[in-house]
Parts: sequence; C-alpha cells; structure tokens
Amino acid sequence: DVKVTQSSRYLVKRTGEKVFLECVQDMDHENMFWYRQDPGLGLRLIYFSYDVKMKEKGDIPEGYSVSREKKERFSLILESASTNQTSMYLCASSPSPRGTEAFFGQGTRLTVV
Amino acid sequence: GENVEQHPSTLSVQEGDSAVIKCTYSDSASNYFPWYKQELGKRPQLIIDIRSNVGEKKDQRIAVTLNKTAKHFSLHITETQPEDSAVYFCAAHNTGRRALTFGSGTRLQVQP
Repeated sequence: DVKVTQSSRYLVKRTGEKVFLECVQDMDHENMFWYRQDPGLGLRLIYFSYDVKMKEKGDIPEGYSVSREKKERFSLILESASTNQTSMYLCASSPSPRGTEAFFGQGTRLTVV
Repeated sequence: GENVEQHPSTLSVQEGDSAVIKCTYSDSASNYFPWYKQELGKRPQLIIDIRSNVGEKKDQRIAVTLNKTAKHFSLHITETQPEDSAVYFCAAHNTGRRALTFGSGTRLQVQP
C-alpha cells in the first residue's frame, strides 16, 4: 500500500515566518508534487520534482520554494509566510515518469496569522 | 499550458438517481484523464481513469466517457448512494510536463 505522509496535519504560523512543510513517500516513486487546495479553485500545482535535486515550477510558484535532497522526501518552503498563503497543502507522489497516477498525502492545513 | 474546467461546482441528487460531472480541457496533446474522490477530511483518491485511445470505461456504478474531438470528458455515477457524497476532481495529464492539471471540483451531495 502506497504511503505518502505529511509531517503535520495542522500548522499555525505568524506572518513573515519561514515555514517548512515536509512530505515522505515509501514507494520509491520518481515524481513528487506539491499542490494547494482552495475552495472553488481545485488543486493548483506549486512545484514538482522528477528526480533528486531536480525541481520544476508549477502554476503558482511565487512565494514558495522546494527541496528534494533524497528521493523519498520533498519539502515545501514558504520563505516569508503571508496571510494569503493560508490554505490546505497536499503532497503527492507518482511512480510513472509521465506524472500520472498521483497518490496523495493527508494534507496540511496551514493558517498564517 | 493545460487548462481544465469542471461543471457543476455543486450537485445534489436523490439516492438512486444518476449524477454526471463534466470537464473540458484545452491541450489536445493531453492523453490521460483521471477522476479523484475526496471525502470530507480525507485525501483525494483515484476512482477511475481513462486514456486517450479509449472512448469509455466502466467500473461497477462508475463510468467515464471521453470525446477527444470536443476535448471533454465526463464522470457518470449511477444508482447513487449516500456514501458517494464527496468532492470529485477531474484532471488531465499534459504531455509537456510531468504533472496533472486539476479541475475546480464538484461537491456531490446524495440525499437519502
């Protein structure tokens, strides 16, 4: 059974803080993704990675960065958190080189105050 | 890049009725179209998918149809049950990059 685990279920951070969201997958998947989920907007791609130390911008990368030092771990970094980054963040991984069949983590609900 | 539009945003049906959710996509090179179900407080999970060389696929009460010419695909749920209540997302795979593009979601409510 594929397992994608996000380090926190709920986070509350202050404006201007540097925030780290961690994601680990245990199935040796090549591809990992970070999505943001907001009501009425669906899932929007922030960044993804298809190999260690490789990353590509998604549709809404502004204000975010990522790190993939090991194959199983993909971190999302909010350099200076702002209130408009309050959202649900979903990590996903995929075994396919073409980015199909995404398996999701349980999500991190981030509130920036 | 790819753009996926999904309708309706909310759908309420009586138990036993059918439900249809529709999506359109913009990139004619997209070739993989999955549907995800997200129950309240849970992660999205794949329920059915279709590839561009197939026009229809069924799995028990769920079916997906694809019209490549019109660039739209639909999810059909027959004999709906209260446990079908959830948010459903369509997605399209853009061959230009390795990630899915999702629609905005449909909240389905099945009234007992």
